[in-house]
Amino acid sequence: NAGVTQTPKFQVLKTGQSMTLQCAQDMNHEYMSWYRQDPGMGLRLIHYSVGAGITDQGEVPNGYNVSRSTTEDFPLRLLSAAPSQTSVYFCASSPTGRDEQFFGPGTRLTVL
Amino acid sequence: GQNIDQPTEMTATEGAIVQINCTYQTSGFNGLFWYQQHAGEAPTFLSYNVLDGLEEKGRFSSFLSRSKGYSYLLLKELQMKDAASYLCAVRWESDSWGKLQFGAGTQVVVTP
Repeated sequence: NAGVTQTPKFQVLKTGQSMTLQCAQDMNHEYMSWYRQDPGMGLRLIHYSVGAGITDQGEVPNGYNVSRSTTEDFPLRLLSAAPSQTSVYFCASSPTGRDEQFFGPGTRLTVL
Repeated sequence: GQNIDQPTEMTATEGAIVQINCTYQTSGFNGLFWYQQHAGEAPTFLSYNVLDGLEEKGRFSSFLSRSKGYSYLLLKELQMKDAASYLCAVRWESDSWGKLQFGAGTQVVVTP
């Protein structure tokens, strides 16, 4: 099993550009989530999904969209990148959401 | 979200014992996770406490007191590889199962 995979590992964007961060898991987990991690602030939940076709907002959803068309994939879209979105983004999955979460390796995003 | 407090940094010598505290507001508490995160890597699961008491896993133990809003992670026989950030995360009753609120993390520095 590859576990949770994320692409790309690094990305530089200009203000106003859009892009999609990819996340996939091969463990048949129902629950998936996206976090951002900024220095001194810990991990903050952006969006999450409890199963295919079901998504909901987390703590900091503004500027981001998600969809969950399959159990395996949970992409995160930045609609119009802003410097405030410079961060490390982690995707995570969990069998049911009640269990431990397995994290992907992260995407380091810089918005100029 | 409610406040989750951890010390920013702790320094200890190889072979020593380190206790990392995490405090939170007791109202609406549902459970507490501890994760380890090495620099530049993804968080990995260490423990989950929902009932009062101590749970031991090898050199690592986690303690919870629900009534006091307090947990600690105990690292025994400290090794150089234990140098990492330790994240406390709380699940609240009002949130869906998978939603976690993370503290800012405690950086553990290990000296020879």
